[in-house]
Amino acid sequence: DAGVIQSPRHEVTEMGQEVTLRCKPISGHDYLFWYRQTMMRGLELLIYFNNNVPIDDSGMPEDRFSAKMPNASFSTLKIQPSEPRDSAVYFCASTRWVGSTDTQYFGPGTRLTVL
Amino acid sequence: AQSVAQPEDQVNVAEGNPLTVKCTYSVSGNPYLFWYVQYPNRGLQFLLKYITGDNLVKGSYGFEAEFNKSQTSFHLKKPSALVSDSALYFCAVRDRGATNKLIFGTGTLLAVQP
Repeated sequence: DAGVIQSPRHEVTEMGQEVTLRCKPISGHDYLFWYRQTMMRGLELLIYFNNNVPIDDSGMPEDRFSAKMPNASFSTLKIQPSEPRDSAVYFCASTRWVGSTDTQYFGPGTRLTVL
Repeated sequence: AQSVAQPEDQVNVAEGNPLTVKCTYSVSGNPYLFWYVQYPNRGLQFLLKYITGDNLVKGSYGFEAEFNKSQTSFHLKKPSALVSDSALYFCAVRDRGATNKLIFGTGTLLAVQP
């Protein structure tokens, strides 16, 4: 299995531009998570999906952030318009619910820089 | 509400010495606890977890963790540190109010000196 795939690995954009981050979860996994990691705030859960349905988006910082999961093999996190304070590493993770086993598998991350 | 605390931002240890990375938790009911490791420029990788049973949990790369209910701790340990163990370590607890949602600690940077 290729693991969780994220693209792009690096993104540099200018303030005000739209940014779209992409994630392909591990096949067969029914949960997908988006996290943001910064030095100041650590690892934050932004939103997670179960069977393509958003379950908890309480971590989404502002209306500028939106996430979709149109099917079981693809999700996007969009920032529009982007701001310098959005600069961070964004991780996608997936897992399959099997009783109490909750191991999340993380992708390599997208390093976003907003100038 | 469930939470975990990692009291040390950084732990320094010499290669070959035992290492301990501390984690304490606060949960209602029985906890589901996890350790993840993050190497530079990589995503988090699962190390081990405690669900139930034996208080000493063995995981990847020779790591183990001891669940201590009376002290509400889940410290990560390794008998002999390697330079390659240098990384950022996260403790996490499953949010019992939300299936499959993990609550992560702030992370502890482990630096192993040769």
